Amino acid sequence: EVKLLESGGGLVQPGGSLRLSCVASGFSFSDYWMHWVRQSPGKGLVWVARLKGDRSVADYAASLRGRFTISRDNAKNTLYLQMDSLTAEDTAVYYCARDAGGGRGVDYWGQGTLVTVSS
Amino acid sequence: QSALTQEASVSGTVGQKVTLSCTGNTNNIGSSPVAWYQQISHGVPKSVMLGNSLPSGIPDRFSGSKSGTTASLTISGLQPEDEANYYCLTWDYSLSAYVFGPGTKVTVL
Repeated sequence: EVKLLESGGGLVQPGGSLRLSCVASGFSFSDYWMHWVRQSPGKGLVWVARLKGDRSVADYAASLRGRFTISRDNAKNTLYLQMDSLTAEDTAVYYCARDAGGGRGVDYWGQGTLVTVSS
Repeated sequence: QSALTQEASVSGTVGQKVTLSCTGNTNNIGSSPVAWYQQISHGVPKSVMLGNSLPSGIPDRFSGSKSGTTASLTISGLQPEDEANYYCLTWDYSLSAYVFGPGTKVTVL
């Protein structure tokens, strides 16, 4: 059974940093692209970033490139999202998701972790 | 502003067929598969269509299609449990990024 479990969310002050983690199980983690998706309160889904299984290619939403960094440790079956220079607009639930293959988006989702940026 | 457009809301009665649309351009929907996600009351999104494939466990009353730069998700035989927000997702070659549509709220009358 595919499982994705995010952690690392919480309250952070504006301008601060946070690193999210997503532990994967139930599939060969290193064979899959992995994604981060976020959703601000009351708003729609926003794609954040994706990273190839061998870490050779990373893509980002244009508006987040430069502040957010996606990475992974295949030995630990763990995906990360480093978020810097956070603002209130980054307040959201952040979901980790597995790539569906063939350019078909994502198939499995984690439960999400809430990040609140506030003073 | 999303590169994709979706109806803000669609409604139907139990058993009715409803069709949701997701419109883009030649850089995204015209060139890439489209996935659809169901989100009930801002819970965890669930995949209901991945390109032309129905994910395991999704009822076959859900179907997807694409024509040019518009993708569609059809629910044939609407059920009360289908009331949710539905989002489309596709790769945009001009942005080198995935993009979600703004979502459609489906209401079962």
